[in-house]
Amino acid sequence: ETGVTQSPTHLIKTRGQQVTLRCSSQSGHNTVSWYQQALGQGPQFIFQYYREEENGRGNFPPRFSGLQFPNYSSELNVNALELDDSALYLCASSYRDRKETQYFGPGTRLLVL
Amino acid sequence: AQSVTQPDIHITVSEGASLELRCNYSYGATPYLFWYVQSPGQGLQLLLKYFSGDTLVQGIKGFEAEFKRSQSSFNLRKPSVHWSDAAEYFCAVGLYNFNKFYFGSGTKLNVKP
Repeated sequence: ETGVTQSPTHLIKTRGQQVTLRCSSQSGHNTVSWYQQALGQGPQFIFQYYREEENGRGNFPPRFSGLQFPNYSSELNVNALELDDSALYLCASSYRDRKETQYFGPGTRLLVL
Repeated sequence: AQSVTQPDIHITVSEGASLELRCNYSYGATPYLFWYVQSPGQGLQLLLKYFSGDTLVQGIKGFEAEFKRSQSSFNLRKPSVHWSDAAEYFCAVGLYNFNKFYFGSGTKLNVKP
């Protein structure tokens, strides 16, 4: 149990729709990263937020965006959903001085039809 | 470009036997290396990490890994596998400021009784 929670656990959307996924970090963790894990693949880094600002980004288009709130909870927003966006989305939080140690949530399974 | 390769997609070992999971990385600077385990329906759990110093690092659950710079490898080992070790294992590289991470595609471990 890492103390990182994600909601919802499962979600079904149709192509073209928009989706918001949520993550609640461990207390005191001011850094959050989001990952996309397609079936049978390893996690792909989407972006990282530190103190409410984007701190690093992987090779994902701008329709993937995020927010981090003052209480260090965060959101991942995906616009104009495509079939290939179907995946497990993981968030990971870390403590300000120990960003190398990430604590992962259980993920949100997104299916795009 | 940074990348992580796990050449074995599936590995099956008998309970009590030794285990070695392979990981090769491509990274221009000093690598920060990690091994994670993912059980079905669970988030990723950090097993161990290497930043510098002794090239043999110990982790949780009896796992260890050896960093070999000349081979660009960071292989995970366990002397005696337990049935509860059946899971998927991911090797990862972190950039020096930990604002981006690259994961391999994973190795699924099956344990025979």
